[in-house]
Amino acid sequence: KQEVTQIPAALSVPEGENLVLNCSFTDSAIYNLQWFRQDPGKGLTSLLLIQSSQREQTSGRLNASLDKSSGRSTLYIAASQPGDSATYLCAVDDYKLSFGAGTTVTVRA
Amino acid sequence: GAGVSQSPSNKVTEKGKDVELRCDPISGHTALYWYRQSLGQGLEFLIYFQGNSAPDKSGLPSDRFSAERTGGSVSTLTIQRTQQEDSAVYLCASSSTEGLASPDTQYFGPGTRLTVL
Repeated sequence: KQEVTQIPAALSVPEGENLVLNCSFTDSAIYNLQWFRQDPGKGLTSLLLIQSSQREQTSGRLNASLDKSSGRSTLYIAASQPGDSATYLCAVDDYKLSFGAGTTVTVRA
Repeated sequence: GAGVSQSPSNKVTEKGKDVELRCDPISGHTALYWYRQSLGQGLEFLIYFQGNSAPDKSGLPSDRFSAERTGGSVSTLTIQRTQQEDSAVYLCASSSTEGLASPDTQYFGPGTRLTVL
């Protein structure tokens, strides 16, 4: 069974600092890995999808890397803003998504 | 265009009653998923529909849970004889796999918050 772990569980940073969120998974037989954002009481918003053959994916201030052989992914958020405050979830896709518990980020103004 | 929609947004029921939760996927998406998000368990997979294939029910926690997808579009998740531990947010997602070698981005609905008293 796929196990997905996210570290740290929570993170608080001042505005402008770069964020580094870590995700590890136990089974490398995946199709892709997705990073999601969840705001309190809301659904999930897809941020980035990295195919298993890719090493990284970028969208604006977000960059996600994938090292399938070591079972790790990292989400980088550059120049954080208070609007980035949310819970970030990592999910590995072997046709169904297996989620980590998330990292709750607070960006202080 | 319209995203994934779910109804109701909130449902409060008494222990032992049956409930039905509805999901309308993005038009044209062939794959539909149900997940559950609860405080103690995080986000967990329940069931997966792909086109006309038999659904993957491997995530359903008990035989009180069932789901169907009519006409390859709308899906209903039914929970019979609800228990307090069924209280959670039930999320639906859809994705398009046509012509793709691997699964595509899953788009999630806002969820249905179920509270069993």
